[in-house]
Amino acid sequence: DGGITQSPKYLFRKEGQNVTLSCEQNLNHDAMYWYRQDPGQGLRLIYYSQIVNDFQKGDIAEGYSVSREKKESFPLTVTSAQKNPTAFYLCASSGSGSSDNEQFFGPGTRLTVL
Amino acid sequence: QKEVEQNSGPLSVPEGAIASLNCTYSDRGSQSFFWYRQYSGKSPELIMSIYSNGDKEDGRFTAQLNKASQYVSLLIRDSQPSDSATYLCAVNLDRMDSSYKLIFGSGTRLLVRP
Repeated sequence: DGGITQSPKYLFRKEGQNVTLSCEQNLNHDAMYWYRQDPGQGLRLIYYSQIVNDFQKGDIAEGYSVSREKKESFPLTVTSAQKNPTAFYLCASSGSGSSDNEQFFGPGTRLTVL
Repeated sequence: QKEVEQNSGPLSVPEGAIASLNCTYSDRGSQSFFWYRQYSGKSPELIMSIYSNGDKEDGRFTAQLNKASQYVSLLIRDSQPSDSATYLCAVNLDRMDSSYKLIFGSGTRLLVRP
């Protein structure tokens, strides 16, 4: 089955800790994205990567870091510098072809800071 | 002014009726437009994409795009209780440094009454 997986589904973090959220896709998509969603709000872009070993900041990158060492993987680290990290984190990917900017989402990780 | 605006709702319609969801955007050069459905606690699911003026139909869904007026709408015919969800409008900005970015509205909550 082709798709996007995210783990864990739920994550609890103590203040001052860094945590890493996993995102893997087997769709052979070039581009991958991380979004954050807060209750009652739309999605806000954290980071995106159009190609391996390259990534760009989105609109709310402060307190987050990413890597793109493999085409299939785009992990997101939420650092202790992120002041309000409790949110629903969504990973997406998009591929090449005529519909290359159609983005498909993984199931998400719900992060709660205790 | 927000880049992508939607009425937050809820929009309440009876089962079997047509639900009409609207979205306006500010960037006149935008080229790609998407509708996502998001059930409570779940990730967004792409249901329609539209790239040119006019209507695009897929089953019970019709997307309508009017670039001159800068709006895109989604019609759901024969609405079912299972259509009850939040519908997110997303727009691809037509900028050199943002060709992969989608800007999301905050969503319209649809409630279909049995």
